[in-house]
Amino acid sequence: GESVGLHLPTLSVQEGDNSIINCAYSNSASDYFIWYKQESGKGPQFIIDIRSNMDKRQGQRVTVLLNKTVKHLSLQIAATQPGDSAVYFCAEGLNNAGNMLTFGGGTRLMVKP
Amino acid sequence: DGGITQSPKYLFRKEGQNVTLSCEQNLNHDAMYWYRQDPGQGLRLIYYSQIVNDFQKGDIAEGYSVSREKKESFPLTVTSAQKNPTAFYLCASSTSGTLDVFQETQYFGPGTRLLVL
Repeated sequence: GESVGLHLPTLSVQEGDNSIINCAYSNSASDYFIWYKQESGKGPQFIIDIRSNMDKRQGQRVTVLLNKTVKHLSLQIAATQPGDSAVYFCAEGLNNAGNMLTFGGGTRLMVKP
Repeated sequence: DGGITQSPKYLFRKEGQNVTLSCEQNLNHDAMYWYRQDPGQGLRLIYYSQIVNDFQKGDIAEGYSVSREKKESFPLTVTSAQKNPTAFYLCASSTSGTLDVFQETQYFGPGTRLLVL
């Protein structure tokens, strides 16, 4: 499949380890944040979202942490599997901006068997 | 199966030709979006529509046009005025909101890769 991004930062982890993917967002007024996973040649897939009044939200094998003080978002993936290999994007949005999202550049996660 | 479909998967455009990319959703979502994705860059918004018969320009609307005659459909036309159309085009729609998912979350189709001959 085609490459989503040729010059993306890359995180390489061993299968079974935990992964932490970071994102620095730009607007301190953003109300909500979303993580997407994109496999090569496919559309982004929703993983998890969080509102600005939360610090943490958990899903199945994933946790999103929000630090508004330093405008930092992270995605933690527990027991990383080969199927987790993909590019991960964060997105931020404002409630008064009509559901508009601003996307980060993405991080490529590579899982070594 | 509910979801967003895009067609074709690959599309080839000749010099001076207009081409139309299809996007259909059966999720009953009000809002739909078109993005362009280039290697090494994030998604850039081309056009969006919050409701039928209304749409707005995004950050890179020049050389593109859209229509929203039906809630389910939001086709994108890449016109001959778009001088660098080679990219991966993604369509998305916004949910009306549930207990577990916020209404602002956008769901994406599988994408169409446009190539210039």
